[in-house]
Amino acid sequence: QITLKESGPTLVKPTQTLTLTCTFSGFSLSTSGVGVGWIRQPPGKALEWLALIYWDDDKRFSTSLKSRLTITKDTSKNQVVLTMTNMDPVDTATYFCARDLGWRYFDFWGQGTLVTVSS
Amino acid sequence: QTVVTQEPSFSVSPGGTVTLTCGLSSGSVSSGYLSSWYQQTPGQAPRTLIYNTNTRSSGVPDRFSGSILGNKAALTITGAQADDESNYYCVLYMRGGIWVFGGGTKLTVL
Repeated sequence: QITLKESGPTLVKPTQTLTLTCTFSGFSLSTSGVGVGWIRQPPGKALEWLALIYWDDDKRFSTSLKSRLTITKDTSKNQVVLTMTNMDPVDTATYFCARDLGWRYFDFWGQGTLVTVSS
Repeated sequence: QTVVTQEPSFSVSPGGTVTLTCGLSSGSVSSGYLSSWYQQTPGQAPRTLIYNTNTRSSGVPDRFSGSILGNKAALTITGAQADDESNYYCVLYMRGGIWVFGGGTKLTVL
């Protein structure tokens, strides 16, 4: 059974750095072709792709957010960590992690975690 | 940055057929963009419907189909049902190896 679950703070202050962890099971990020990505969704708005890391440590980032994002993996722990610097209230959103098996789409998604940016 | 366009809203009658589209602010969508489609109801994670333009994800009914229509990717729902009322998102895999989501289409079945 494939599962992904996001964890991290529910509230961050403006200018702080957000760190989110995606813990997954049922697959390995050491398998050729596999990737885990992050997608967010502000309340009532559209999905926005943020970043993705592949099994071979290939990393991809949204053009508009690249300067603020870091993505890493811990294969032994089955975790992917996303950090986003200089948080702003407009970054308030539900953050999802999802798997790419190498087919360039997201087949399994986590339930999402709501992050609010407020002082 | 290239914008992926979708109809903001659409309505369909129960049993009817509807085609939602996914375009580019500049240029045409081809199969090379590996378009995928997701269904999402409020408060839930997206559900994968279609990938690689026209391949249905496991468990997705065959009344959902994907294609390229003209210069856009398309999602067609044949025989719409009440529980198809959802938000639908397309995403394109762009040159440079990044993904861009469309703004979503809110589908009403009435």
